[in-house]
Amino acid sequence: AQKITQTQPGMFVQEKEAVTLDCTYDTSDQSYGLFWYKQPSSGEMIFLIYQGSYDEQNATEGRYSLNFQKARKSANLVISASQLGDSAMYFCAMREGQRGDDKIIFGKGTRLHILP
Amino acid sequence: KAGVTQTPRYLIKTRGQQVTLSCSPISGHRSVSWYQQTPGQGLQFLFEYFSETQRNKGNFPGRFSGRQFSNSRSEMNVSTLELGDSALYLCASSLTTGGNTEAFFGQGTRLTVV
Repeated sequence: AQKITQTQPGMFVQEKEAVTLDCTYDTSDQSYGLFWYKQPSSGEMIFLIYQGSYDEQNATEGRYSLNFQKARKSANLVISASQLGDSAMYFCAMREGQRGDDKIIFGKGTRLHILP
Repeated sequence: KAGVTQTPRYLIKTRGQQVTLSCSPISGHRSVSWYQQTPGQGLQFLFEYFSETQRNKGNFPGRFSGRQFSNSRSEMNVSTLELGDSALYLCASSLTTGGNTEAFFGQGTRLTVV
């Protein structure tokens, strides 16, 4: 079974609109971290936002916020006021850690296109 | 504060050769992990090092190896290169290990095997 599921392979959004990228995860660990990364065509994996499993408040970083719904195992990324430069591939990822196996597991990604 | 530095950025190698990639983590970070990204397989975990010890290893053949030095810099080596090893190799830097630990990536090394 997939541990990270991103159901939107591609999305087209008008500039200045808000965007929600979906992510659900599967883990039995109590301690884990959830990440969102942006990967432009250059290949660099840019860290956007992090949510720890014990964090009670949703993480926010500038225009990025993570809508963390623990009971539903959902960690959607919200980008407010989208910009042309937001066009890229976005990966949701999880890091489990209770078994000493704390590799990062990635979803398949969502390709976001911002339209002028 | 400098980010994660990977060198070289681009490499072209011939089948059968070997290659060494380097990753310098963020200052103070002791954990370095490596990932392979291909269009077909997505992002796959190779291995993780913490304090010069390999903690975890992904499902890759023995041709893929790595090490970490006392200054936390890490190298990964691929011997007897195959065409299928063409990929973007990314390394991630973390302060420590564990699920609740942020991870920052470098720009990657794009390896092409011809």
